[in-house]
Amino acid sequence: EILLTQSPATLSLSPGERATLSCRASQSVSSYLAWYQQKPGQAPRLLIYDASNRATGIPARFSGSGSGTDFTLTISSLEPEDFAVYYCQQRSDWPPLTFGGGTKVEIK
Amino acid sequence: EVQLLESGGALVQPGGSLRLSCAASGFTFNNYAMSWVRQAPGKGLEWVSTISGSGGSTYYADSVKGRFTISRDNSRNTLYLQMNSLRAEDTAIYYCAKSIAATGVFDYWGQGTLVSVSS
Repeated sequence: EILLTQSPATLSLSPGERATLSCRASQSVSSYLAWYQQKPGQAPRLLIYDASNRATGIPARFSGSGSGTDFTLTISSLEPEDFAVYYCQQRSDWPPLTFGGGTKVEIK
Repeated sequence: EVQLLESGGALVQPGGSLRLSCAASGFTFNNYAMSWVRQAPGKGLEWVSTISGSGGSTYYADSVKGRFTISRDNSRNTLYLQMNSLRAEDTAIYYCAKSIAATGVFDYWGQGTLVSVSS
């Protein structure tokens, strides 16, 4: 089973700042990594798939990078609606499909 | 517009059974793999099970293998999860999710249905 470790657990930032979230895999997942956003009381929403491809309707301020074992989700300038929990997920070697533990982006 | 609507969540005793349903619309249902993903209260996301578009292939997390059964009725555009021998640790919101083609990437999610296992 591929384990995904996200860091930091919590990121405290102000609107307008840049957010950099990390996801590290226990073994290579090639580029088969996705990022999801989840707000309280809502279902997750796909942001990025295959490491760097934005999903339909996702603003350009969200970008993903990385390959192998190290991945980054960057939010170039935080909007008020971006404060949420973010999860990474791999589909390289499954079952099982696995998720990271999440990074909470909170308002500083 | 893609819509996924789960139902069937309830409070059930340990050892009990429950069947969840997910009614899909807005896309050609039998062309896409479908999955169940759960989230325990205050915790992260956990993949539960996936079924191929035809229903011919199914996959399970070890934590539910032998107790849960995923199925689909393509004539009714509906996904199911039969849950038997329920345990307290199965308590979670259960989301139905559509995959991009046959990949393990979830591009649409339902709003979730709550399953509580408690005596």
